Amino acid sequence: GAVVSQHPSRVICKSGTSVKIECRSLDFQATTMFWYRQFPKQSLMLMATSNEGSKATYEQGVEKDKFLINHASLTLSTLTVTSAHPEDSSFYICSAREIGGQGAYGANVLTFGAGSRLTVL
Amino acid sequence: GDSVTQMEGPVTLSEEAFLTINCTYTATGYPSLFWYVQYPGEGLQLLLKATKADDKGSNKGFEATYRKETTSFHLEKGSVQVSDSAVYFCALSVPLNNNDMRFGAGTRLTVKP
Repeated sequence: GAVVSQHPSRVICKSGTSVKIECRSLDFQATTMFWYRQFPKQSLMLMATSNEGSKATYEQGVEKDKFLINHASLTLSTLTVTSAHPEDSSFYICSAREIGGQGAYGANVLTFGAGSRLTVL
Repeated sequence: GDSVTQMEGPVTLSEEAFLTINCTYTATGYPSLFWYVQYPGEGLQLLLKATKADDKGSNKGFEATYRKETTSFHLEKGSVQVSDSAVYFCALSVPLNNNDMRFGAGTRLTVKP
């Protein structure tokens, strides 16, 4: 089945540094990937929609200059948290929608990565 | 706008108890409905899905029926196991809205032996 790999799974960084998180679709192509942020014991908050070959679409209230998204190929999207601060500490999750995918559940099913826990000291 | 409301947790049950987690939705158009499960420290996994009214999604003993008349998609399992302990998210996607996904707040289930 469809698999999305997210790396790193955990990262600790110092305040002011930048951190890059990768999201890869391993066995399918995805023109669209999504980035979410999840606070402890809360639901997923959609941050942005990453479109291959074009600019990401950010949700209201998400700083595009702080959370840089690059969707360089049909299998890779990256999220870079620039000049990270402790309040950026969170669990970041990506998901991908397979191009023309059907699988067992149809084309509009999202496959999620395992998430990346960012801790900014 | 499109949204999902699900039963607040946490829910604590004994092994082999019956589980119901309520989920209702508001949507324009005809949404697809999903239940995702998140185990500790992991991302989300699709548990089951239904794409139209009266469809029943089922997987691993879990079931949910798409009820258009009550705009609901309640998750049920007849006999829970300790391994079912996780957070469960109800979600919808609306084709008219670019298939954007909207998630409920999540319900944490703990099953005790």
